[in-house]
Amino acid sequence: EVQLVQSGAEVKKPGESLRISCTGSGYSFTSYWITWVRQMPGKGLEWMGRIDPKDSWTNYSPSFQGHVTISVDKSTSTAFLQWSSLRASDTAIYYCAKRSGPHRRWYFDLWGRGTLVIVSS
Amino acid sequence: QSVLTQPPSTSGTPGQRVTISCSGSRSNIGINTVSWYLQLPGTAPKLLIYNNNQRPSGVPDRFSGSKSGTSASLAISGLQSEDEADYYCAAWDDSLNGRWVFGGGTKLTVL
Repeated sequence: EVQLVQSGAEVKKPGESLRISCTGSGYSFTSYWITWVRQMPGKGLEWMGRIDPKDSWTNYSPSFQGHVTISVDKSTSTAFLQWSSLRASDTAIYYCAKRSGPHRRWYFDLWGRGTLVIVSS
Repeated sequence: QSVLTQPPSTSGTPGQRVTISCSGSRSNIGINTVSWYLQLPGTAPKLLIYNNNQRPSGVPDRFSGSKSGTSASLAISGLQSEDEADYYCAAWDDSLNGRWVFGGGTKLTVL
């Protein structure tokens, strides 16, 4: 089965670090970019950044650049999203998604179920 | 504020046809394709339309998409109660070294 399996919910305190994961299976993981998307409580979808699993090339939204790091482990077909210092405003559901389609006709055809991150003192 | 503009809400009665608009600019919808995503309450988004008007397998033909210039639309005909959800448009944007942009989402209520 083609799927993206995300790690479980996390409850953290402000200032703590965190890494969440997204493991792909059922397809060639290195052939498709992985994107991370944030959804704050009751709000819409926000693109955070993407990674090419083939060479780990990343591209971040200016809104998230410097606050998060996206990485990948090809050996386990897993992408990661990490924070070195969480803020209360990072409380959200984080989705990973697989990008498909030819050049300039891209779309997200597969989504993980999301990881809920709660940051509270 | 989202780069792509969608109405926050819309509604319809069962059997009716509704449309959801998505307005952007040349750097996104103007030169790249639009995709649409359905998000049922408490679940992850799901691809509904890609390449402006293509349906993935399994998506009923009640759902259709179109694009003209810097705007796109999603139409849902024969509205059903299970269509009540949030709908998002998305496109690649060539500005700022490249980024994905989403609409703010439209909440569809089936009356």
